[in-house]
Amino acid sequence: EDKVVQSPLSLVVHEGDTVTLNCSYEVTNFRSLLWYKQEKKAPTFLFMLTSSGIEKKSGRLSSILDKKELFSILNITATQTGDSAIYLCAYTNFGNEKLTFGTGTRLTIIP
Amino acid sequence: ETGVTQSPTHLIKTRGQQVTLRCSSQSGHNTVSWYQQALGQGPQFIFQYYREEENGRGNFPPRFSGLQFPNYSSELNVNALELDDSALYLCASSLGTGIEKLFFGSGTQLSVL
Repeated sequence: EDKVVQSPLSLVVHEGDTVTLNCSYEVTNFRSLLWYKQEKKAPTFLFMLTSSGIEKKSGRLSSILDKKELFSILNITATQTGDSAIYLCAYTNFGNEKLTFGTGTRLTIIP
Repeated sequence: ETGVTQSPTHLIKTRGQQVTLRCSSQSGHNTVSWYQQALGQGPQFIFQYYREEENGRGNFPPRFSGLQFPNYSSELNVNALELDDSALYLCASSLGTGIEKLFFGSGTQLSVL
């Protein structure tokens, strides 16, 4: 059965720290891995990864996919209080028009 | 702001009642997907509508039904509400059936008492 697991479930760090969030998956007919940020209600898109080993970057955030070891990481450097949110990873597979989400990692940044 | 609007923002119902949630998609988007997010969980796919037709359904019973209108807005209907239906219901729009880069609305928080 397909599954996606995020770790840790929650994380509390101080402003300025660097954090690494993990997402492992076991998916048949894997197509893509996505990261979303959910601050209040609406998840907002961060990255989509389809190719192994290619890092995607946006400012202080970056993400990479390892299709051999079946995981992805999301890095946030020089964290700010505005980074406090739930970070969700999700996968898609071929033949299915849906995102399947993990439980999320709740990140709290202390000033 | 994604341009996806949902109404109402909050709703309280009692067990056994019926509820209708509404979603206006982002301008130019012709596909709407609905997700249910229980407390402490990730969103779960309910179904997707593309050009007014259901185009995929998750593991939800038939009492969850939907509609998409010619202007691509959408409704989610839930009959015979159960306590476990209490959740945040998220609507997301996209262009075409490719579901990467979904644009989510802020959701409707449904409480069933």
